[in-house]
Amino acid sequence: AQRVTQPEKLLSVFKGAPVELKCNYSYSGSPELFWYVQYSRQRLQLLLRHISRESIKGFTADLNKGETSFHLKKPFAQEEDSAMYYCALRGSSYKLIFGSGTRLLVRP
Amino acid sequence: DTGVSQNPRHKITKRGQNVTFRCDPISEHNRLYWYRQTLGQGPEFLTYFQNEAQLEKSRLLSDRFSAERPKGSFSTLEIQRTEQGDSAMYLCASSLGGGTGGNEQFFGPGTRLTVL
Repeated sequence: AQRVTQPEKLLSVFKGAPVELKCNYSYSGSPELFWYVQYSRQRLQLLLRHISRESIKGFTADLNKGETSFHLKKPFAQEEDSAMYYCALRGSSYKLIFGSGTRLLVRP
Repeated sequence: DTGVSQNPRHKITKRGQNVTFRCDPISEHNRLYWYRQTLGQGPEFLTYFQNEAQLEKSRLLSDRFSAERPKGSFSTLEIQRTEQGDSAMYLCASSLGGGTGGNEQFFGPGTRLTVL
């Protein structure tokens, strides 16, 4: 079965603290993994994808096939990072399979 | 073209009524997707089109749901005989086909359906 698990519904950190949002997936083949973000009153938008191997807004994510994980990390959280973050998987089809999301709250 | 648009943004209806939502994708995008999102959950895939062809449907899409994309441009999602369990945010997304980079899905603002 194809599944994406985000174990934390809420992650609260202070500004300047490191952040790690966890994502684990279940898929038998070689999936493509994404992180989407939804800021308050805005639409869902792509943050980054594992094939790009780039840092966006200071966030990085590494695909660990052994642990079937794609955790999102940022060394120093900013208040503007507060948002809902969704991990998503694309397998052989074009559809995305999303996790249930983690709300990141960065406090001043 | 400012992105994917959806209408209406909000819809309140009574149980048993039919509703129809519209999605206008980004103009050059040939793939169009519908998702449903309930409170506390991530978006769940419903169906997708490549041009006018509906290529995949989720088991979530019961026979009360029908989606069309008649000319390969805008799409409509109709729910017949609505039930309270249909209350959700209905999201539309589009992507440009071809190649790995074309798989980025751009989402619309959603239509929030409330069934009383």
